[in-house]
Amino acid sequence: AQSVTQPDIHITVSEGASLELRCNYSYGATPYLFWYVQSPGQGLQLLLKYFSGDTLVQGIKGFEAEFKRSQSSFNLRKPSVHWSDAAEYFCAVEPRGSTLGRLYFGRGTQLTVWP
Amino acid sequence: EAGVAQSPRYKIIEKRQSVAFWCNPISGHATLYWYQQILGQGPKLLIQFQNNGVVDDSQLPKDRFSAERLKGVDSTLKIQPAKLEDSAVYLCASSSPGGPALFGQGTRLTVV
Repeated sequence: AQSVTQPDIHITVSEGASLELRCNYSYGATPYLFWYVQSPGQGLQLLLKYFSGDTLVQGIKGFEAEFKRSQSSFNLRKPSVHWSDAAEYFCAVEPRGSTLGRLYFGRGTQLTVWP
Repeated sequence: EAGVAQSPRYKIIEKRQSVAFWCNPISGHATLYWYQQILGQGPKLLIQFQNNGVVDDSQLPKDRFSAERLKGVDSTLKIQPAKLEDSAVYLCASSSPGGPALFGQGTRLTVV
């Protein structure tokens, strides 16, 4: 079955520590891949996207993600977390050749940052 | 560039009442989406428009939900009558061809 899996529901890190949020997908062909962030009471903000080419993608706010075809993964990373990064993070996919632009989301990972 | 605008931000209604949400997409974006985000879950597509035509409404509970996009710009999503399980955040997004979906701030609906 097609799915997007974020195995970690909640992650807590200390400010200044590194961060990695996991995302795995199950689709026939490599889909387009996205990470969004949602702060409390806000909508979704696009952090970065992968369509093709370089498997290491740079995004906003110092985030990056690496696409690994062999593992069907698109993990989000940040070398040093700031308190303002506390939010919920969603991985999303757009299947290639599907209805234009429709996204399928994982259930999200809630990030808490300790001072 | 102005973002996707949604109103109201919050709404509380009693079950069996009706409610409507409004969305104004980014100027020039032909594709408009309505997503439903239930607490603790990722957003799920309800309906997708291309200009003023429906592309995908397979997940829209058509017995109570309806949506329209007049003149291919603004869109309205309506629920009538509301149920307790409709409590959620309703997100509107828009995109240009080949571009990613950009989201509004959402409307948080509470049905009591």
